Amino acid sequence: EVRLVESGGGLVQPGRSLRLSCAASGFTFDDHGMHWVRQAPGKGLEWVSGISWNSGNIAYADSVKGRFTISRDNAKNFLYLQMNSLTTDDTAMYYCAKDIRVGATTRFGHFEDWGQGTLVTVSS
Amino acid sequence: EIVLTQSPATLSLSPGESATLSCRASQSVSSYLAWYQQKPGQPPRLLIHDATKRATGTPARFSGSGSGTSFTLTISDLEPEDFAVYYCQQVNNWPPALTFGGGTKVQLK
Repeated sequence: EVRLVESGGGLVQPGRSLRLSCAASGFTFDDHGMHWVRQAPGKGLEWVSGISWNSGNIAYADSVKGRFTISRDNAKNFLYLQMNSLTTDDTAMYYCAKDIRVGATTRFGHFEDWGQGTLVTVSS
Repeated sequence: EIVLTQSPATLSLSPGESATLSCRASQSVSSYLAWYQQKPGQPPRLLIHDATKRATGTPARFSGSGSGTSFTLTISDLEPEDFAVYYCQQVNNWPPALTFGGGTKVQLK
């Protein structure tokens, strides 16, 4: 059974940093690209960032480019999101998601499995 | 950036009826379109990928169609558990940009 467990969310002041983690299990982690997707309270879904199986392809939404950094540790089966210069617009539930594509590809696909999310609140 | 427009925003139906949800892309996404279902307090769940392929565990009453810029999710014979918000999502790999539509809420009439 695929399991994705996010952690690291919380209340943070504008301008500060936060690092999210996603522990993956139940599948071959380094066979899949991974993503972060967020959802502001009462709003729709927004893709934040994606990383291919070998970190060879990394992409960001324009809204976070230059502030957020995605990374992964295939030895530990972990996905990370380093978030710097946070603003109130970054307040959201952050979901870790597994890409449906399998194997040595740098192309992204759809989001096959999702974690339960970790809530990030940016407020003074 | 490719923009996805979903319609209608809200659909009010009764169990047993059929639902037709639309998703239009501002430019062609070929068949790289997915549909997700989200219920309150839960993460989204993948229903359909690559426009027409049901994800593992998706009931046969859910079907996807379309290609290019116009896509449809059809839910036949609505069950009580189908009342939820549905999002479409596209994948553009050159350059990488994955976007969602604004969602359609299917609610009880």
